[in-house]
Amino acid sequence: NAGVTQTPKFRILKIGQSMTLQCAQDMNHNYMYWYRQDPGMGLKLIYYSVGAGITDKGEVPNGYNVSRSTTEDFPLRLELAAPSQTSVYFCASSSQGDTEAFFGQGTRLTVV
Amino acid sequence: RKEVEQDPGPFNVPEGATVAFNCTYSNSASQSFFWYRQDCRKEPKLLMSVYSSGNEDGRFTAQLNRASQYISLLIRDSKLSDSATYLCVVIKGGSYIPTFGRGTSLIVHP
Repeated sequence: NAGVTQTPKFRILKIGQSMTLQCAQDMNHNYMYWYRQDPGMGLKLIYYSVGAGITDKGEVPNGYNVSRSTTEDFPLRLELAAPSQTSVYFCASSSQGDTEAFFGQGTRLTVV
Repeated sequence: RKEVEQDPGPFNVPEGATVAFNCTYSNSASQSFFWYRQDCRKEPKLLMSVYSSGNEDGRFTAQLNRASQYISLLIRDSKLSDSATYLCVVIKGGSYIPTFGRGTSLIVHP
């Protein structure tokens, strides 16, 4: 099993550019999450989804958008990138929502 | 008050030492508790779940104190390979959203 796959692993964006971070899981999990992690800090929830077609905001949603058209995929869209969005982004999935969360390897994004 | 709080450390201990971390949570409706391990520049991975009666996995022991709203992780006979950041995770009942502490850094030296 591949588990949770994130692409790209690294990206440098210029201020004002847009991009989509891809996340796919092959475990048939209903629950999926996007977190960002700044140096020395914990993970902050950006958006989450409890199933295909259902998404909701987390703690820090401003500047981001998501969609969940299939169970497998949960892309994160950054519009008008800003330096404050420089971070490591992790996608995760969980089968029951209150059980183990499996993480992708992360995307290291730098906005300059 | 933050939802999940941890002492960031670092805890610097010699090989073979016993070390304990605590994590406090603010929401009394929290129902699921976990410890994750995160190596430098890697993704978090589950270390162990935390059960009400306490549980052990080899050198690792996790405990939950609902009355005082904290969980703990005890590592016995520390190894160099235990060096990592340990993240406390709490899920409020019915929310299905894992909330992470900022992590506690452990450095085990020879």
